[in-house]
Amino acid sequence: DAKTTQPNSMESNEEEPVHLPCNHSTISGTDYIHWYRQLPSQGPEYVIHGLTSNVNNRMASLAIAEDRKSSTLILHRATLRDAAVYYCIVSFDSGSARQLTFGSGTQLTVLP
Amino acid sequence: NAGVMQNPRHLVRRRGQEARLRCSPMKGHSHVYWYRQLPEEGLKFMVYLQKENIIDESGMPKERFSAEFPKEGPSILRIQQVVRGDSAAYFCASSPGPRNTEAFFGQGTRLTVV
Repeated sequence: DAKTTQPNSMESNEEEPVHLPCNHSTISGTDYIHWYRQLPSQGPEYVIHGLTSNVNNRMASLAIAEDRKSSTLILHRATLRDAAVYYCIVSFDSGSARQLTFGSGTQLTVLP
Repeated sequence: NAGVMQNPRHLVRRRGQEARLRCSPMKGHSHVYWYRQLPEEGLKFMVYLQKENIIDESGMPKERFSAEFPKEGPSILRIQQVVRGDSAAYFCASSPGPRNTEAFFGQGTRLTVV
């Protein structure tokens, strides 16, 4: 399965946009890109996922590079509640089995 | 529609005892996944089950660990003869389908072995 590389930590000011980068240079043509986040003492929470085209939902936007070797999660207006570890995951497709391989993620700190 | 329910939230066991962790998936979800998160580490996949079937257990330790998802009732992750190294947060997730779909996670069970 494709490996992802994310910065260990990032900071943002409240109510400003946040761009969280992820590199996945070994992604294969059928792999999806997923983003999850984990708040302290909570289970991971789905944020967004995509294949080739940019995606938007109520939580965030996902911008995928044309060559698919990188992507960026965009939080349009960070709030204090967005402080979490953000995981970029390239899904492993193996027949009927499915895994989410969580790396170390990016710890996002939101400053008031 | 209740989310993924895990219980207990916290579990303390002495070395050598058995730990049973339960997971009720979201209504209508028949795919369940168990993950383990050791302190200060990311989540690691353990096992993927559908009703009455283990689909992928490549992340399960070879001994002492087992999982089931019976036709009726919750999925159970069972750890026999627990050791201190089993202390971790165990998360269950469920999804409506097997591929590239959103997975919903529970709050986790934090197991402490003393």
